[in-house]
Amino acid sequence: KQEVTQIPAALSVPEGENLVLNCSFTDSAIYNLQWFRQDPGKGLTSLLLIQSSQREQTSGRLNASLDKSSGRSTLYIAASQPGDSATYLCAVLMIKAAGNKLTFGGGTRVLVKP
Amino acid sequence: NAGVTQTPKFRILKIGQSMTLQCTQDMNHNYMYWYRQDPGMGLKLIYYSVGAGITDKGEVPNGYNVSRSTTEDFPLRLELAAPSQTSVYFCASRQPGAYNEQFFGPGTRLTVL
Repeated sequence: KQEVTQIPAALSVPEGENLVLNCSFTDSAIYNLQWFRQDPGKGLTSLLLIQSSQREQTSGRLNASLDKSSGRSTLYIAASQPGDSATYLCAVLMIKAAGNKLTFGGGTRVLVKP
Repeated sequence: NAGVTQTPKFRILKIGQSMTLQCTQDMNHNYMYWYRQDPGMGLKLIYYSVGAGITDKGEVPNGYNVSRSTTEDFPLRLELAAPSQTSVYFCASRQPGAYNEQFFGPGTRLTVL
């Protein structure tokens, strides 16, 4: 059974520092990995989707890397801002998942202090 | 496009009451999902549907029922609400295919007292 883990559960950094968020998964038979952002009391917003054949994906200040063989993905957020404060979740889509079901990690709650 | 919409935003139920959480998407997505998120936790899949008339159980289906009579709508029914069902419920949709993104609704916050 696929297990997705995000450590640490919470992170606090001063404004301007780079953020490094980790996601690990136990079964490397995945199609892709998706990073989401969740603001308090809100739904999830997709940030990046990185396919299993890709090593990284970039969007603005965000960069996600994927090492399928070691079961790890890292989300980098450059030059963090207070507006980056949110919970970040990763999710994997397994090759054998009926209905394209995602398996989610528990999330990392990020606070960027001004 | 409105995307994925959910109603109501908030609801308080008494133990034993029933209710239906509504979910609608206007992106013509075949696949739809219901999740629950308990405080400080990730998402757990309750039910999903791969098309009108087809539904299947996720990780935590007990105490819930779903139907899918149209592509757009995927309501979630709670029968005999229990305090353990206090949670935030999210509906999501996507097109089939491994490389498509999943889109989420804003959630329904449910408290059972």
